[in-house]
Amino acid sequence: DAGVTQSPTHLIKTRGQQVTLRCSPKSGHDTVSWYQQALGQGPQFIFQYYEEEERQRGNFPDRFSGHQFPNYSSELNVNALLLGDSALYLCASSPLGAKETQYFGPGTRLLVL
Amino acid sequence: QQQVKQSPQSLIVQKGGISIINCAYENTAFDYFPWYQQFPGKGPALLIAIRPDVSEKKEGRFTISFNKSAKQFSLHIMDSQPGDSATYFCAASSEGGKLIFGQGTELSVKP
Repeated sequence: DAGVTQSPTHLIKTRGQQVTLRCSPKSGHDTVSWYQQALGQGPQFIFQYYEEEERQRGNFPDRFSGHQFPNYSSELNVNALLLGDSALYLCASSPLGAKETQYFGPGTRLLVL
Repeated sequence: QQQVKQSPQSLIVQKGGISIINCAYENTAFDYFPWYQQFPGKGPALLIAIRPDVSEKKEGRFTISFNKSAKQFSLHIMDSQPGDSATYFCAASSEGGKLIFGQGTELSVKP
């Protein structure tokens, strides 16, 4: 049983560019949450998707957007990248009946130059 | 009110000893309190979690103690091993599943 998978593992972009990160949830999970983890910090909640809609959003600007597909996989898009967007981006999946029980993927390390 | 405060920031324990990490919260709407273990370059792994209707939960060498009146909870790692050396995060969630994380504790278990 595959766990949460994320792609790519690493990414280097320049300021002003746009990036798309991808996540596939664990089998049987239909809720996906995205977090940003800066170096030496705890993860910060970006947003959560289920039933293909954004259900909750953290304190992140509109440059951060997402999507969930019918197969429950999800994308995180970040526009107009800033140096401060450099971080580990984590995806977590959970079953709809237990949205708080979240299993994390390995993350995508984004470096903005 | 949405914060979860975690201490200590770092912890050194001898092999076989007990590691204790503490967290405190303000928001009484929180109803789910997980602990995660994270190794360098990896995503956080769910270790153990508790709800406020119980005061203690044990899974193997890991125990959560929960004090609802004090709004505090802690992770105890018994018989700590060098392989337990990692960063540990407490978190809290209310309805909806948004996890609020503590700042993390870097645990080092010396052989």
